[in-house]
Amino acid sequence: NAGVTQTPKFRVLKTGQSMTLLCAQDMNHEYMYWYRQDPGMGLRLIHYSVGEGTTAKGEVPDGYNVSRLKKQNFLLGLESAAPSQTSVYFCASSRTTAGGDEQFFGPGTRLTVL
Amino acid sequence: AQSVAQPEDQVNVAEGNPLTVKCTYSVSGNPYLFWYVQYPNRGLQFLLKYITGDNLVKGSYGFEAEFNKSQTSFHLKKPSALVSDSALYFCAVRASYSGNTPLVFGKGTRLSVIA
Repeated sequence: NAGVTQTPKFRVLKTGQSMTLLCAQDMNHEYMYWYRQDPGMGLRLIHYSVGEGTTAKGEVPDGYNVSRLKKQNFLLGLESAAPSQTSVYFCASSRTTAGGDEQFFGPGTRLTVL
Repeated sequence: AQSVAQPEDQVNVAEGNPLTVKCTYSVSGNPYLFWYVQYPNRGLQFLLKYITGDNLVKGSYGFEAEFNKSQTSFHLKKPSALVSDSALYFCAVRASYSGNTPLVFGKGTRLSVIA
């Protein structure tokens, strides 16, 4: 049981390049989330999904797109990377949000945009 | 709207001493409250949560937290700190009525336990 995995672990992009971050979970969770972590800012929600084929905007969605074509995968895309998107990106999943289910986090992807 | 405040960016404590990491929250109605820990270059790990019932919640690695509704607080505590407890700690909240909304996280408190 691998839990939540993220690919890649590290990436360096030039301004304007595009890339996709992959998140996979093997816990059959309905809900998945993408956060970014910046020093002094804590965790900020980018987008989330409440089930296969659904997505919703979080606190900081601009410049990102997401897709949830399969229940176990949640993709985060950057169409034209900017230096402001340099950050550590975390994916998380949860069984539900009802009943106080906790979120399980992946190990993170460290992205640098030059 | 839901929000969490962690008033201390950094907490320093000597090994063997008790530690407290503070958290206050704001929600309408009843809260679900969580503590997570992040070790360097790792993802967040769940420590404990308060859903309902006993105000004192026990979690992993000897940590516990006390829910105080009148003070809207959920402080994390441990009776005797270890150097290995040094990490970044996050408090999170979600209103119990809020349906599909994700957790809202505080900005984190860095705990440093000094030998």
